[in-house]
Amino acid sequence: QSVLTQPPSVSAAPGQKVTISCSGSSSNIGNNYVSWYQQLPGTAPKLLIYDNNKRPSGISDRFSGSKSGTSATLGITGLHTGDEADYYCGTWDSSLSSGVFGGGTKLTVL
Amino acid sequence: EVQLVESGGGLVQPGGSLRLSCAASEFTFSSYWMHWVRQGPGKGLVWVSRINSDGYSIAYADSVKGRFTISRDNAKKTVYLQMNSLRAEDTAVYYCARDRGYNQFDQWGQGTLVTVSS
Repeated sequence: QSVLTQPPSVSAAPGQKVTISCSGSSSNIGNNYVSWYQQLPGTAPKLLIYDNNKRPSGISDRFSGSKSGTSATLGITGLHTGDEADYYCGTWDSSLSSGVFGGGTKLTVL
Repeated sequence: EVQLVESGGGLVQPGGSLRLSCAASEFTFSSYWMHWVRQGPGKGLVWVSRINSDGYSIAYADSVKGRFTISRDNAKKTVYLQMNSLRAEDTAVYYCARDRGYNQFDQWGQGTLVTVSS
């Protein structure tokens, strides 16, 4: 059972937009920065979003992040098959004094 | 190009020990906090441990506290994870990751597989 809650899967058609939610509490998302990671099959995770809504250099502006209260959302527009991957949210939990991740969301581009 | 390269994984019996290493290159290693994150077969990411830049502030997940020890050698640009009293549930790919600030990981190694089985 993960501290952060994500939907197990989402799907959308090529060219469409999808959002992935990440729900937590005041001890984690509510008071810490959220980051998002993309993990393509058989590869290491890759940072997509940091500080809730910033993109590292080289990350497409098709990816966006937002946070409100104790929830965060990753948005992906202009979907293509290359976006099929597992997506994870992460943050620090101040009560647990540990890093925490969501359980991951598998994106399928139909 | 920034690189993190893990090594030291392998097959170990329950109750055994392993030491993982993560060698860093092409960045000022001594300025960064470093983490270990693991991923069991077919499972999600699980945070394991972190160490600050000078090695004096350390944190562990409850599941490994008292069994795993994180350390670093800034002269060798390497972070370590000493794993003792290994259990079957520790079986996973172990990644080291660089912290860009506030426990957000901007560089990851390729991972090293640890299998705990008799």
